[in-house]
Parts: sequence; C-alpha cells; structure tokens
Amino acid sequence: SQTIHQWPATLVQPVGSPLSLECTVEGTSNPNLYWYRQAAGRGLQLLFYSVGIGQISSEVPQNLSASRPQDRQFILSSKKLLLSDSGFYLCAWSAITGDSPLHFGNGTRLTVT
Amino acid sequence: AQSVTQLGSHVSVSEGALVLLRCNYSSSVPPYLFWYVQYPNQGLQLLLKYTTGATLVKGINGFEAEFKKSETSFHLTKPSAHMSDAAEYFCAVSDQAGTALIFGKGTTLSVSS
Repeated sequence: SQTIHQWPATLVQPVGSPLSLECTVEGTSNPNLYWYRQAAGRGLQLLFYSVGIGQISSEVPQNLSASRPQDRQFILSSKKLLLSDSGFYLCAWSAITGDSPLHFGNGTRLTVT
Repeated sequence: AQSVTQLGSHVSVSEGALVLLRCNYSSSVPPYLFWYVQYPNQGLQLLLKYTTGATLVKGINGFEAEFKKSETSFHLTKPSAHMSDAAEYFCAVSDQAGTALIFGKGTTLSVSS
C-alpha cells in the first residue's frame, strides 16, 4: 500500500532563517506531488505541484520554492522566512489520472517568530 | 477555471440530527468532486468522490453526497450525527486533467450532546 511521510511535525523558526520541509511517498511510482498551505479560516492554498522529477509548477508567487530531486521526494524551501509564512503545510500525492484523489501527509505546523 | 464555495463556515448540530454541509462548484468542464475531513492537527482524509456514473455517492463513516449538475452542487449529508463527526470538512473540485484540486474554505462541524 502507498504511504506518505512528511516531517517535521512541528517547527519554530525565527524570521529570516531558512526552511526545508521534506515529503516522501512509498508504494507508488511517478506520482503527482503537491504542497498546500492552510491558514486559519482560509482553507487550503495550493503552493506547488509536480508531475515529474524536476518539473515544478508554482501557483502563488512568494518567497517559497519547491524541488523534486527524486521521483517520490518533494521538498519545500525558503531562503529567508517571513512572519506571514507561518501556517500548516501539507504534502499530498495523487496518481496521474484526473479522477484520482489526493492523499495527504500529516502536515507540518510552522511558526515563524 | 474551477472554484468551490462552501456555504457556512460553521455548522452546529445535535447528536443524532441530520448533517448537511453545502458545496457549490464552478467548472467549465465536467468536474470530479471530492469531500475530505480533517481532524485537528492532522492531514485531510478522503470521505468520498464523484467522477462519473451514479450521482449519489456513498463514503466512509456513513456520509453520502449527491451530484446535482443543474444546481452545480455536491452537498454532503449524514442521517444521524455522532460526536466523532466533529471536524472540519472540505469540498474540492478537479478538472479532468487532474492537475490539482481546488478546495473550498472549509466548514467546521460541531456536534453537541
């Protein structure tokens, strides 16, 4: 069966520090991969998605970036965090067909102080 | 472009009462529709999905939803609420390309005894 791992579960970082969140998927090949951010009362905002290694689409311009160095690895990064980057970050994967649901990781609670 | 509107950011019901969470979508192509549930500090879990075929879709935990094309709606129902149903619920739409899901802002369901 497929599993998705996302870490760390919680993170407290000062403003201006770098960020690296990692997500890996097991049990499937060539998945679509996604990063969403969830802020209170604002639902889920799609940040990045990837349909293959090295292929990243950005939905929202900001100081975050994403990379996919391996088929089942998806990394969210920032060189300098802002207070507004605080939130709950969710990684997800789906099969490549349009009717496939997203399968989410357990999320990372990021607090920028 | 697709969009999702969830009517009511907060719904309160008594245990044993009917649960009705409303979702309307906008899509220029036949949509794929999903309902997810999120418990505090966790990722999202798929409740049910509509792709094609029968418009009444049954999901986990006794929930079901009906796709009504004429009303562009996909409301989520459960005949009898349980305390364990208290959570946040998200409706989402995807086009047939399946690039990414677009989520509504969520509805928090409270269940009182």
